[in-house]
Amino acid sequence: EDKVVQSPLSLVVHEGDTVTLNCSYEVTNFRSLLWYKQEKKAPTFLFMLTSSGIEKKSGRLSSILDKKELFSILNITATQTGDSAVYLCAATTDSNYQLIWGAGTKLIIKP
Amino acid sequence: DTGVSQDPRHKITKRGQNVTFRCDPISEHNRLYWYRQTLGQGPEFLTYFQNEAQLEKSRLLSDRFSAERPKGSFSTLEIQRTEQGDSAMYLCASSLQLAGVGGANVLTFGAGSRLTVL
Repeated sequence: EDKVVQSPLSLVVHEGDTVTLNCSYEVTNFRSLLWYKQEKKAPTFLFMLTSSGIEKKSGRLSSILDKKELFSILNITATQTGDSAVYLCAATTDSNYQLIWGAGTKLIIKP
Repeated sequence: DTGVSQDPRHKITKRGQNVTFRCDPISEHNRLYWYRQTLGQGPEFLTYFQNEAQLEKSRLLSDRFSAERPKGSFSTLEIQRTEQGDSAMYLCASSLQLAGVGGANVLTFGAGSRLTVL
């Protein structure tokens, strides 16, 4: 059965720290990996990763995919309280519609 | 375009009542998804539409759940005879799927409709 596992499930750090969130997957016909940030409401899109080893970057956030070891990481440097959220990853497949979601990592940034 | 809109944002109902949620996707998007999310979990797929056609329904979607997208624009999700286990956030998402391109694309989510069944 296809699955996506995120770790840790929750993480508490202080403002200014750097965090690394993990997403591993076992998915048949894997196509790409998506990262979303979810605060109190809708998940908002962060990154889509299709190729191994190519880092995607947006401000203090960056992400990379390893298709050999079947995982992705999301890095956040110089964390701020506004980074507090649940971070979700999802794998897409060639099935044309299905996304397989992880349970999320709840990140809390303390001032 | 203001993104994906969902209505109502919150609904409290008594067990046994019917509820209906509405989703207005991004206008140029041809795909529309419904997900359910409970605390501490990722979104759980319920169903999706390509234009007006409902192409897939999760096995989790009991007969009490029905979704429509009559003109390929907005969609409704109705839950009949609600149960306490239906309490969750119901998320709608839309995407633009180009012809001939396989695989799911990036989804844009609405703010969700939170259902509480007493």
